[in-house]
Amino acid sequence: RKEVEQDPGPFNVPEGATVAFNCTYSNSASQSFFWYRQDCRKEPKLLMSVYSSGNEDGRFTAQLNRASQYISLLIRDSKLSDSATYLCVVWGDSNYQLIWGAGTKLIIKP
Amino acid sequence: EAGVAQSPRYKIIEKRQSVAFWCNPISGHATLYWYQQILGQGPKLLIQFQNNGVVDDSQLPKDRFSAERLKGVDSTLKIQPAKLEDSAVYLCASSPPLGEQYFGPGTRLTVT
Repeated sequence: RKEVEQDPGPFNVPEGATVAFNCTYSNSASQSFFWYRQDCRKEPKLLMSVYSSGNEDGRFTAQLNRASQYISLLIRDSKLSDSATYLCVVWGDSNYQLIWGAGTKLIIKP
Repeated sequence: EAGVAQSPRYKIIEKRQSVAFWCNPISGHATLYWYQQILGQGPKLLIQFQNNGVVDDSQLPKDRFSAERLKGVDSTLKIQPAKLEDSAVYLCASSPPLGEQYFGPGTRLTVT
């Protein structure tokens, strides 16, 4: 089992729809979690941190499920500009090891 | 606030040649990372520095790749000699410990 797994997609979603994807991690000692967005041929950019209590930023909601060891990202009222690859990052343990998922590609269609 | 700076942005070399990339992290960020990203894949961590010490270099091909972080600030990544499979984008990022990473624009390397 990979340490951090994501469904590679692509997810093809009509504009205005709600879409969600998960990221599972294997190390139960993981401490910090993030979602990054990466546009084609660009560097990853932080989308949001994932807190134990969950967090919301506009149309985006991130949640952490420690019992099942996954984080989720929900996008409501999707826009064409949301088309990108969404990568999750998990900080492992006290050795500061961090692990990236391979990303989930999202395509929003008009 | 200035972001992570990287140079060069693009580099084309022939196989067996050498190449070096430079990174200047965000001021005050103790942690610096070098990643290799091949098209269609997530970033692969090559090396992680905490100040000027190495935290993780388990995925760095040490027979040809080397990296250093001078005085805990700037860093260089070198490939010598380059192979065709080294063609990728090399990303530098910095962060506070356990914090969000901020990326530079990357260096796109093409090995012919």
